[in-house]
Amino acid sequence: EAGVAQSPRYKIIEKRQSVAFWCNPISGHATLYWYQQILGQGPKLLIQFQNNGVVDDSQLPKDRFSAERLKGVDSTLKIQPAKLEDSAVYLCASSAPQGAPPETQYFGPGTRLLVL
Amino acid sequence: KQEVTQIPAALSVPEGENLVLNCSFTDSAIYNLQWFRQDPGKGLTSLLLIQSSQREQTSGRLNASLDKSSGRSTLYIAASQPGDSATYLCAARTGGFKTIFGAGTRLFVKA
Repeated sequence: EAGVAQSPRYKIIEKRQSVAFWCNPISGHATLYWYQQILGQGPKLLIQFQNNGVVDDSQLPKDRFSAERLKGVDSTLKIQPAKLEDSAVYLCASSAPQGAPPETQYFGPGTRLLVL
Repeated sequence: KQEVTQIPAALSVPEGENLVLNCSFTDSAIYNLQWFRQDPGKGLTSLLLIQSSQREQTSGRLNASLDKSSGRSTLYIAASQPGDSATYLCAARTGGFKTIFGAGTRLFVKA
């Protein structure tokens, strides 16, 4: 079974530039999550999708971050414009076949973002 | 608001030692608690998941316990090996299916 795929693996940009990350979850998983992990901290949930719909985006800085999950499969997370404090690892995870309650989360390798 | 704390922040032990990692959470109304392992530069790997109705889960040399009333979970690693060196994270899932992570315990097992 293929795992959660993310790209790119690394990205270096200057502040005020924009950047986008892509995630392909495990096939059949209805729930998709984006987390931000700052060095030395645990991951912080940014947004959670159930199929196409947003379940929780309470910690997403909506003035600069946006995310979408078209057709309930792949997802993109965008930052525009980026700030220095956005330097972090962005993790994508997925869980639960259709119709099942969210259980074990499976994580991708993450995208390391450095904002200069 | 749910908060998750892990103690200690870092731990160094000799190979072969049994060890316990601690995780505490402030709101006992959790749906489940999950332990993860994170290697440097990698994503998270799920180790054990304990449902709110369960007391413990075991996988190989790992045993995780859950005490909701006291807001605590422990991860027990038996006969530690250098390959166990990693950061261990616990995550509490609330009834609204929001996942709150602790900051992790960095474990180093010396050969």
